[in-house]
Amino acid sequence: ELKVEQNPLFLSMQEGKNYTIYCNYSTTSDRLYWYRQDPGKSLESLFVLLSNGAVKQEGRLMASLDTKARLSTLHITAAVHDLSATYFCAVDTNAGKSTFGDGTTLTVKP
Amino acid sequence: DAGVTQSPTHLIKTRGQQVTLRCSPKSGHDTVSWYQQALGQGPQFIFQYYEEEERQRGNFPDRFSGHQFPNYSSELNVNALLLGDSALYLCASSFWRQGIRGNQPQHFGDGTRLSIL
Repeated sequence: ELKVEQNPLFLSMQEGKNYTIYCNYSTTSDRLYWYRQDPGKSLESLFVLLSNGAVKQEGRLMASLDTKARLSTLHITAAVHDLSATYFCAVDTNAGKSTFGDGTTLTVKP
Repeated sequence: DAGVTQSPTHLIKTRGQQVTLRCSPKSGHDTVSWYQQALGQGPQFIFQYYEEEERQRGNFPDRFSGHQFPNYSSELNVNALLLGDSALYLCASSFWRQGIRGNQPQHFGDGTRLSIL
């Protein structure tokens, strides 16, 4: 059974700082997603990572994938308050069947 | 272009009752997946429908059933409700061929918040 683990589960950081969220998964997969969820809202897709070594960047967020290590990272650069949300990684084993981690709740303080 | 729409937004039921949740996929999408998200947890896959058939299923009991209609919309039915069924139920849509080979993620609706008393 595929397991997806994120750490940390809770992250409090100051504006302007950098930090990395880690996502480990237990079985082979070549498709990994990062989502953002604001309180009481649905999931917003951030990145789709399809191959080993894939790196994608959008604004202050950068995601990477190492399929050999079964590890993905979400790096936050110079955090701002608007980035406060819960971030999920999800791994596909079959098309459309995503297994999610428990999420990392990020709070950015001024 | 409407995204994924779900109804109702909120629902309160009592133990033992039955509930039906509805989902209309994003225009152009033909595949619908349902997820259960308990408070403070990540979404858990319930099942997926394509061509009006259940294609994949997660670890959920038979009390959870679904249907997909010719217009690709879908329903999730839960019988004999338990307190533990209280959760946010999310519907996600995608295009089947993109899901297999493409790079497009699923699109999620805003969910139905189900509370069991």
